[in-house]
Amino acid sequence: QKEVEQNSGPLSVPEGAIASLNCTYSDRGSQSFFWYRQYSGKSPELIMFIYSNGDKEDGRFTAQLNKASQYVSLLIRDSQPSDSATYLCAVKVWSFKTIFGAGTRLFVKA
Amino acid sequence: DTGVSQDPRHKITKRGQNVTFRCDPISEHNRLYWYRQTLGQGPEFLTYFQNEAQLEKSRLLSDRFSAERPKGSFSTLEIQRTEQGDSAMYLCASSSGPGQGGGELFFGEGSRLTVL
Repeated sequence: QKEVEQNSGPLSVPEGAIASLNCTYSDRGSQSFFWYRQYSGKSPELIMFIYSNGDKEDGRFTAQLNKASQYVSLLIRDSQPSDSATYLCAVKVWSFKTIFGAGTRLFVKA
Repeated sequence: DTGVSQDPRHKITKRGQNVTFRCDPISEHNRLYWYRQTLGQGPEFLTYFQNEAQLEKSRLLSDRFSAERPKGSFSTLEIQRTEQGDSAMYLCASSSGPGQGGGELFFGEGSRLTVL
């Protein structure tokens, strides 16, 4: 079992729709959870982090965490073509190491 | 520019040669990470430092790989006797100290290695 698992996609949504990205993790001792966005040929950049169960909203983005289910998700409302990228779920485990999933490719169709 | 910088950005080498990459982290960050990323995959953890101490090294990392961070500032990643399977993007990232929200990684632009 991989430490951080994501559906590789691609996930295709029309412009203005909600994109839902999901992630599961295996280490119950994980402390913090991150969503990074990576455009083709570029380095990852942080979108959001969450460390408490529940929802956290930042603009068009909402991160959701359920530690009992070891599940993290990212919702993107009013998706824009500029949101087309690979979204990486990352988990900071007890040793302060950050582990990444393989990423989900998102395409937003204009 | 106060971001993470990596050098060189691109390196083409022949199999069997040694290569070295350098990373200069954000100056106030005490944690420094090296990752490797291949096409279609997420960044794969290689090793990380807190100040000058190398605290963890991936079990996937062969003895041909070595990293240093003298004086807790810049870091180097050396690959000896390169193999074609080493071709990848090598990403360096830095972060500030402990704290649940303090784990954000700031990435450099990466060093792309091509082994012929």
